[in-house]
Amino acid sequence: QKEVEQDPGPLSVPEGAIVSLNCTYSNSAFQYFMWYRQYSRKGPELLMYTYSSGNKEDGRFTAQVDKSSKYISLFIRDSQPSDSATYLCAKAPGNNRKLIWGLGTSLAVNP
Amino acid sequence: DGGITQSPKYLFRKEGQNVTLSCEQNLNHDAMYWYRQDPGQGLRLIYYSQIVNDFQKGDIAEGYSVSREKKESFPLTVTSAQKNPTAFYLCASSIAPGGDQPQHFGDGTRLSIL
Repeated sequence: QKEVEQDPGPLSVPEGAIVSLNCTYSNSAFQYFMWYRQYSRKGPELLMYTYSSGNKEDGRFTAQVDKSSKYISLFIRDSQPSDSATYLCAKAPGNNRKLIWGLGTSLAVNP
Repeated sequence: DGGITQSPKYLFRKEGQNVTLSCEQNLNHDAMYWYRQDPGQGLRLIYYSQIVNDFQKGDIAEGYSVSREKKESFPLTVTSAQKNPTAFYLCASSIAPGGDQPQHFGDGTRLSIL
């Protein structure tokens, strides 16, 4: 089992829909979580960075961490065609220098 | 604007040839990283450096080499020993070493075999 699991999709939604992107993780040691957005032929861009359980909101984006079920989610409200990208989750396991990455979920928002 | 600059954007390698990918940052970050991205495999860490004149192997270092002579620069050499070098290469940096620091990425170099 990979330490961070992410459904690769593709996920296709109409413009204006609420999008839910999810990752599960298997190791509970020390947890910072990050969500990145990657457009085609570009580098990943940091969207959200959170440590605690609960929600963190930034504009149309909300990151949710449920440590009891080892589940992290990214919600996108009022989705736009410009949100079409691959979304990567990452977990920071603490003293280890290396982030652990999910494989990414491909999202298409259709006008 | 501060950021990470990778060059070239596209690179072609002949058989038996070494090629060097450039990564420069003006964010004053201590730590820098090289990743390889292949379809369906996500980001895999090649090498990372926590401080000038220091670097460590990541998960897939074989066939690659790096140097960190300046804080701003972390070039990656893909040697002829890397038998499957075709991939998208991403350089990243973080303000300090440590798994809890978010990483900031350049826009990548796409390497192909001639």
